[in-house]
Amino acid sequence: GENVEQHPSTLSVQEGDSAVIKCTYSDSASNYFPWYKQELGKRPQLIIDIRSNVGEKKDQRIAVTLNKTAKHFSLHITETQPEDSAVYFCAATSTGSSNTGKLIFGQGTTLQVKP
Amino acid sequence: KAGVTQTPRYLIKTRGQQVTLSCSPISGHRSVSWYQQTPGQGLQFLFEYFSETQRNKGNFPGRFSGRQFSNSRSEMNVSTLELGDSALYLCASSLILGSTDYEQYFGPGTRLTVT
Repeated sequence: GENVEQHPSTLSVQEGDSAVIKCTYSDSASNYFPWYKQELGKRPQLIIDIRSNVGEKKDQRIAVTLNKTAKHFSLHITETQPEDSAVYFCAATSTGSSNTGKLIFGQGTTLQVKP
Repeated sequence: KAGVTQTPRYLIKTRGQQVTLSCSPISGHRSVSWYQQTPGQGLQFLFEYFSETQRNKGNFPGRFSGRQFSNSRSEMNVSTLELGDSALYLCASSLILGSTDYEQYFGPGTRLTVT
């Protein structure tokens, strides 16, 4: 069935360093890949997404890359700040099909940015 | 625009009881998806409604059900509650206009505790 694997489960970096979180998906029909940030006690917040017709997308300090052949996608955060500390979730879905609206999530990565 | 809202925010129920949770999507959004979030299982898809029709259903028992009204508001119901149903229940809405606008925006969730 559909599955998304996310690594690492925890990540600790020094302020100013970069952080990379990787995800692998199993459904080759997946074509939409969002990333969510969830702070403690808060709702998941969409921070960036990428579609299968694009290899990379950037938004200020965050970027996402997609390798469709390998079924990998990654989140890159540069110049990390303490406020980046949160749990990050990757997700995948195939839009325009019967699976529209059904996000399959990775298990989450707890990112700690040490000042 | 107001964001996704969910009521109630917290709920304590006893095993065997039933519960109804409500979700009001962002104005104009037609799709509502429901997810269960637990520390052990992460974020798992329950079901998705679009134009009052259930389009997708996750791997949950029949005790979990939902519906959507003509104003896109959605409810989910869990009957015969079990201790394992204790979780944060999140709903997310998206516009889904034609073949675009798949971004899902989450509500604050309903924290259900079953004793």
